[in-house]
Amino acid sequence: EVQLVESGGGLIQPGGSLRLSCAASGFTVSSNYMSWVRQAPGKGLEWVSVIYSGGSTYYADSVKGRFTISRDNSKNTLYLQMNSLRAEDTAVYYCAREGDWGQGTLVTVSS
Amino acid sequence: QPVLTQSSSASASLGSSVKLTCTLSSGHSSYIIAWHQQQPGKAPRYLMKLEGSGSYNKGSGVPDRFSGSSSGADRYLTISNLQSEDEADYYCETWDSNPVFGGGTKLTVL
Repeated sequence: EVQLVESGGGLIQPGGSLRLSCAASGFTVSSNYMSWVRQAPGKGLEWVSVIYSGGSTYYADSVKGRFTISRDNSKNTLYLQMNSLRAEDTAVYYCAREGDWGQGTLVTVSS
Repeated sequence: QPVLTQSSSASASLGSSVKLTCTLSSGHSSYIIAWHQQQPGKAPRYLMKLEGSGSYNKGSGVPDRFSGSSSGADRYLTISNLQSEDEADYYCETWDSNPVFGGGTKLTVL
């Protein structure tokens, strides 16, 4: 059974950093394209970042230069390093691959 | 980069059918899309992948009441015999160099 379990969210002050993790089971993270998608309170889904099986990475303009997506093949885990956080980054962050979603982790950026 | 357009809301009666539309932007009418359902307070759930030909593949456990079809740049999600648990937000998604989401349709079951 495929499972995606996110962790690492929380309350952080503007300008701070957080690292989100997405532990995968039932498939190999490195063999799939994996995405981070976020949803601000009361808003729709917004793509944040993607890493392809070959290692190519892409970012939404809103997070480029501040967020970094990576994976640890030995741990079968996807990460999102988030730096210079802003209030507008407040959202539930989901990791996803084709056909599967995690349960999400809430990031709140506030002083 | 493709753009996906969805109506913001739709409503239909319990036990009836509803057809939701996702429209691809000009020049992208052949793109494959995915439909996702998000019930209130829950994570999104993958429903199906839908091709321009109208062929679709549903995710595991998705009821037979859910089906897909296509016409030109339009991609449809039809839900038959509406149930109360179908009241949710429905998003379409496509891909170019990166994923793109539509704005979502909020479905109300009357």
